[in-house]
Amino acid sequence: SQQGEEDPQALSIQEGENATMNCSYKTSINNLQWYRQNSGRGLVHLILIRSNEREKHSGRLRVTLDTSKKSSSLLITASRAADTASYFCATGPQGPSQGAQKLVFGQGTRLTINP
Amino acid sequence: NAGVTQTPKFQVLKTGQSMTLQCAQDMNHNSMYWYRQDPGMGLRLIYYSASEGTTDKGEVPNGYNVSRLNKREFSLRLESAAPSQTSVYFCASSEFIGWTYEQYFGPGTRLTVT
Repeated sequence: SQQGEEDPQALSIQEGENATMNCSYKTSINNLQWYRQNSGRGLVHLILIRSNEREKHSGRLRVTLDTSKKSSSLLITASRAADTASYFCATGPQGPSQGAQKLVFGQGTRLTINP
Repeated sequence: NAGVTQTPKFQVLKTGQSMTLQCAQDMNHNSMYWYRQDPGMGLRLIYYSASEGTTDKGEVPNGYNVSRLNKREFSLRLESAAPSQTSVYFCASSEFIGWTYEQYFGPGTRLTVT
C-alpha cells in the first residue's frame, strides 16, 4: 500500500508562477524526500528533509515538514517550462536500515508549466 | 560515470515466459533496489539489497527473484511472467553517507506481458 497521498494529482500553471504540491503520510518517518520524474525517464532526487527539520531550501525549491500533521509540501518558485514533470514524495522509515532505505512513494503530482 | 544502467529498455513477453532484468551501477554504492511503477502510481519496492551478499523483500515481492551478483550488479528475475507484471521497472542504488539517503535511479525497463 502507498504511504503517501499527494495533492493535487495534476497541476497546470503559467510559467513564472509558483507551484505547490502536498504530501501526506501515515506512519512515523526518519526523513522525507522529493523526487522528479520527466516523462519516460527515471526519478531524480531533489531534496531530503529530516524528521527533526521543519523547512529546507534548495535553489527555487522550498520543502516544509509538519510531523504532527504527517504532511509535507514542496514549493517551486518562479516556475519554468523545464519544471514540467511528475513529482513524488517518498518517506524513509524509522528504525534500523542496514544502510538501505526502504522508501515508500506517493502517487505523484503531474505538473505542467504553460509558456 | 554512467550512474545506474538497466537492460533491456523494452521487453514483450508471453504469459509463462521467464526473463532477467539487469542492473549495474558504477558509483560503488552498497545498497541497490528494484521498484515497479504502474500507470498513474508511485513506485513500489519489490526487493532490495542493503549490501553485497544480502537481499530482502520489499512491498511486492511475489513472482520475482533477485540476485546480487557483486557490488555493482543486481538482477531481477521473473520466472513465469503474468499480465499483472506488465509495468515499468526501475533499479536504484544508494549509499548512506552522513544523512544522505539519496537514491539514484536507472532509466527503467518497460515490460509488457501478453
